[in-house]
Amino acid sequence: SAVISQKPSRDICQRGTSLTIQCQVDSQVTMMFWYRQQPGQSLTLIATANQGSEATYESGFVIDKFPISRPNLTFSTLTVSNMSPEDSSIYLCSGGQQTVTEAFFGQGTRLTVV
Amino acid sequence: QKEVEQNSGPLSVPEGAIASLNCTYSDRVSQSFFWYRQYSGKSPELIMSIYSNGDKEDGRFTAQLNKASQYVSLLIRDSQPSDSATYLCAVMDTGRRALTFGSGTRLQVQP
Repeated sequence: SAVISQKPSRDICQRGTSLTIQCQVDSQVTMMFWYRQQPGQSLTLIATANQGSEATYESGFVIDKFPISRPNLTFSTLTVSNMSPEDSSIYLCSGGQQTVTEAFFGQGTRLTVV
Repeated sequence: QKEVEQNSGPLSVPEGAIASLNCTYSDRVSQSFFWYRQYSGKSPELIMSIYSNGDKEDGRFTAQLNKASQYVSLLIRDSQPSDSATYLCAVMDTGRRALTFGSGTRLQVQP
């Protein structure tokens, strides 16, 4: 399985600011995804990070709020823009191969907005 | 809207007992099903995957799939206090390879 590293592991941010989360995979993966886990909730898919093109966002998530980059097959970033306390969540990066169905997660980024 | 339903629990079992976790899903064409374990403050850890009807065993864990009933379950034999965690059922969208998660069942194994 791929090893997925996220940075930062946690952060406390002021409302109105932006935070960029990095996701690095130790091998090339076809698919990369970003999920959000709000306090006490399950995981919700934010978007699929597409290499070299715009991410595909799920209903309720927009590019202006959560811009995503994926310059190559091992790296992606998620930015949480103009943050409010409602954005306080754990953000998780996931990766997998097209030919293998199992998906693995990074350790997550715990974001608190004050 | 694809949905994955789980009982939130907590499910409390004594040490050494069998814990039975259940999950139903709404998308009849789903093909891939997963169980993740999540300890408090940690990210989800994949423990089982199942793709065909029937049972799949891995150590103390058995996943069961019934596509006709749109039902997936996870059995944990000889439950240990270290099994205490939230168990997330996930269904994969075959086209996009993204996962839809249930709300999770919190398992408590009593020593």
